Amino acid sequence: GESVGLHLPTLSVQEGDNSIINCAYSNSASDYFIWYKQESGKGPQFIIDIRSNMDKRQGQRVTVLLNKTVKHLSLQIAATQPGDSAVYFCAENRGYSTLTFGKGTMLLVSP
Amino acid sequence: SAVISQKPSRDICQRGTSLTIQCQVDSQVTMMFWYRQQPGQSLTLIATANQGSEATYESGFVIDKFPISRPNLTFSTLTVSNMSPEDSSIYLCSLAGSKRDTQYFGPGTRLTVL
Repeated sequence: GESVGLHLPTLSVQEGDNSIINCAYSNSASDYFIWYKQESGKGPQFIIDIRSNMDKRQGQRVTVLLNKTVKHLSLQIAATQPGDSAVYFCAENRGYSTLTFGKGTMLLVSP
Repeated sequence: SAVISQKPSRDICQRGTSLTIQCQVDSQVTMMFWYRQQPGQSLTLIATANQGSEATYESGFVIDKFPISRPNLTFSTLTVSNMSPEDSSIYLCSLAGSKRDTQYFGPGTRLTVL
């Protein structure tokens, strides 16, 4: 079936570097995408979202890019900090308020 | 934003028993969801819990195994029935945002079945 997946299971960066986490989706009908951050022992936390009529959206230190042509989503974190260490999930909304989650990428930030 | 709590936060159970997980929200919400997150895995939707109607289950999940209650707009329960070690997972409830596209999650219940 159609699914949302990630290219890299683990990403290790140095503090201060920029991080890029990627996600591929296969459902061309999806019109809304979300990035979540999940720290150990906690539930997923909303980071940023983007609708399919946009190709870029910026938040505080985070940017989400959407390329509908190749069905690719990325999360960019500027000046990565140790507190950014977590698992990051992309999710797509296929309608009816249900979300389908990608596999997740572990981000490890070294001081 | 709404505050979501879950009870218990974690539990260790014997196979063959059942566990009921509670999800409490501090405001009224129409749509609530239950997810399972197996160790090292992503989140899989179990069912959508709507107040006043039966839960809608995703493929691979059945009501006999995961009965859900939604007695009001601030509370829901998920029961994991006749547990086996394969049910060891984190169980998460979530609610739909005001625009019904984003979801916000509770802290999860970490279940270990021996």
